[in-house]
Amino acid sequence: GQNIDQPTEMTATEGAIVQINCTYQTSGFNGLFWYQQHAGEAPTFLSYNVLDGLEEKGRFSSFLSRSKGYSYLLLKELQMKDSASYLCATGGGNKLTFGTGTQLKVEL
Amino acid sequence: NAGVMQNPRHLVRRRGQEARLRCSPMKGHSHVYWYRQLPEEGLKFMVYLQKENIIDESGMPKERFSAEFPKEGPSILRIQQVVRGDSAAYFCASSHGQGATNEKLFFGSGTQLSVL
Repeated sequence: GQNIDQPTEMTATEGAIVQINCTYQTSGFNGLFWYQQHAGEAPTFLSYNVLDGLEEKGRFSSFLSRSKGYSYLLLKELQMKDSASYLCATGGGNKLTFGTGTQLKVEL
Repeated sequence: NAGVMQNPRHLVRRRGQEARLRCSPMKGHSHVYWYRQLPEEGLKFMVYLQKENIIDESGMPKERFSAEFPKEGPSILRIQQVVRGDSAAYFCASSHGQGATNEKLFFGSGTQLSVL
């Protein structure tokens, strides 16, 4: 089975950097995803890591360590619109298993 | 270039009625996934379908719930004799290729089901 753990909520200041951690245990591993979900909206894809290391994409970066079952999402130059839930997801086989999400609140 | 389309956006049913949720995948996608999301909880996998086939329904309750993805038309998630506990947001997602776990999913905007 799959087990994913991430903090429930975080608060950060506009313009700052925030790191959202995710740990997982999985019976099969085909990569780790991060999705963003604004309240009442569809989750949207942010990043995918299958190899160890850091993947950078604009203000967002994602890191993976397969041996540690650990990933993080790094958001730089935070903007108010980054206030959302960030979902870590992984799995093997047919389905993705999602964590409960980290609710990020960006304040002035 | 439409994304994943779900309807209705909001659905209100009384206990004992049937709920039908529809999902049209992105153009060119033949893999559909249904997820349920309760407030303050993550997305819970329900079922994975390809055209005319249920591939994995391990997350779907054995009773009252069914899903289909016919050769023509949208995928349907059907909940019979709804109860208050069925109230949730139901999201549909699609992918181009096989295996959601190494390919990103495109999600619809969801159907918010409220059972009175």
